[in-house]
Formats: sequence, structure tokens, C-alpha cells
Amino acid sequence: KNEVEQSPQNLTAQEGEFITINCSYSVGISALHWLQQHPGGGIVSLFMLSSGKKKHGRLIATINIQEKHSSLHITASHPRDSAVYICAGDSGGSNYKLTFGKGTLLTVNP
Amino acid sequence: NAGVTQTPKFRVLKTGQSMTLLCAQDMNHEYMYWYRQDPGMGLRLIHYSVGEGTTAKGEVPDGYNVSRLKKQNFLLGLESAAPSQTSVYFCASSYPLTGEWVTQYFGPGTRLLVL
Repeated sequence: KNEVEQSPQNLTAQEGEFITINCSYSVGISALHWLQQHPGGGIVSLFMLSSGKKKHGRLIATINIQEKHSSLHITASHPRDSAVYICAGDSGGSNYKLTFGKGTLLTVNP
Repeated sequence: NAGVTQTPKFRVLKTGQSMTLLCAQDMNHEYMYWYRQDPGMGLRLIHYSVGEGTTAKGEVPDGYNVSRLKKQNFLLGLESAAPSQTSVYFCASSYPLTGEWVTQYFGPGTRLLVL
């Protein structure tokens, strides 16, 4: 059974801080998705990565396939970054099903 | 493009009542999914469809039925609602690419309260 574990569950930061959210996954998962969910809002896909690193604005996602670990970094955090960040494992099968972590609630205070 | 839309946004049901949640996408995606999201748990897959006329069970299918009569629509039905089905329901869609991983596009969610 595919499993995805996120840490921390909750994270509070001051505006401007560098933030890291971690995700570990089990054998059988070959790619990781990072998603963002604002309070009361929908879910938006941020990144999908199977190797290396991706960057979009202040967001950086990395994945280490050997260690089965991925991180999402936010540089120069801002209160508008406050959201739940979810990692999801992709086994790459023909039905494209994902295994979701429980999410990390990030609060960035001004 | 509207992307993925869900109807209704919020609903209150009494135990035993039935209802249908509608998901529509205008991106010509083949694959569609229904998830539920509960506090302290990750998104869990209820049912999914890999094309018009096909459906399959996900992780937590009991108490739900689905239909995919048209490619753009995916309906989730509760025949006899139970308080345990109080949740936020998300629909998603994706387009399959052979040998690659793909992004799922999510709807805004439907909040369902069963009393």
C-alpha cells in the first residue's frame, strides 16, 4: 500500500522567514505532487516532480528519489502564503490515482 | 474556460435523504475523480472514472454511487445519507498521458452536512 507522510502538521512563521515542509513516501511511488489549499477554498496544484528540483516564484520543490523524500520551500514568506500544503504520491499507474498526505497548515504572521 | 465546477456548494441533509453531487469539466479530460476530505485525514478517493461510461471504486466507496454518462460530467450519489458522510467533497479531472505523470485539476468543493 502506498503511503505518504508529511511534517510538520502545523507551522507558524513570521513574514519573511524561509519555510520548509517535508514529505516522505513509500516504495511504489515514483512522483510527488505538491498542492495548496487556502482556508475554505479549492485545491490548486503547485508542482509535480519525479526528480531534481522545480521553482516557481518563491516556491521551490525538491525530491530525493533514493531517500524517498521531497521538500517544499517557501522563500521570503508572506501572509498570503498561509494555507494548507498537501503532498500526494503518484505511482504512475494507468488510472493516475494519488495517495495524499494529511497536509501541513502554514500560518504566516505579519 | 470554467475548469472544474461543482454543484451545489453547500447542502444540509437529514439522515436517510438522498442527493446527487454534480461535477462538470470543460477541459475534455478523460479521467475524473471524487474525493472526500475530513479533518485530520488526507483526501480519500471515493470513485473514479477513466472515460465516458466507465467507473471504478476507490478507497472509500461504500454508501456512494457514481455515473459518467457524458464525458464532461461525473455524478456522485448518496442514496441514503448518514452522519458519517458529513464531509467536504472534491471532484478532480485529468488527461492521461502515456508513460507520464499528470496534474489533477480540482473543483471548489461541496460542503455536505448530514444531520
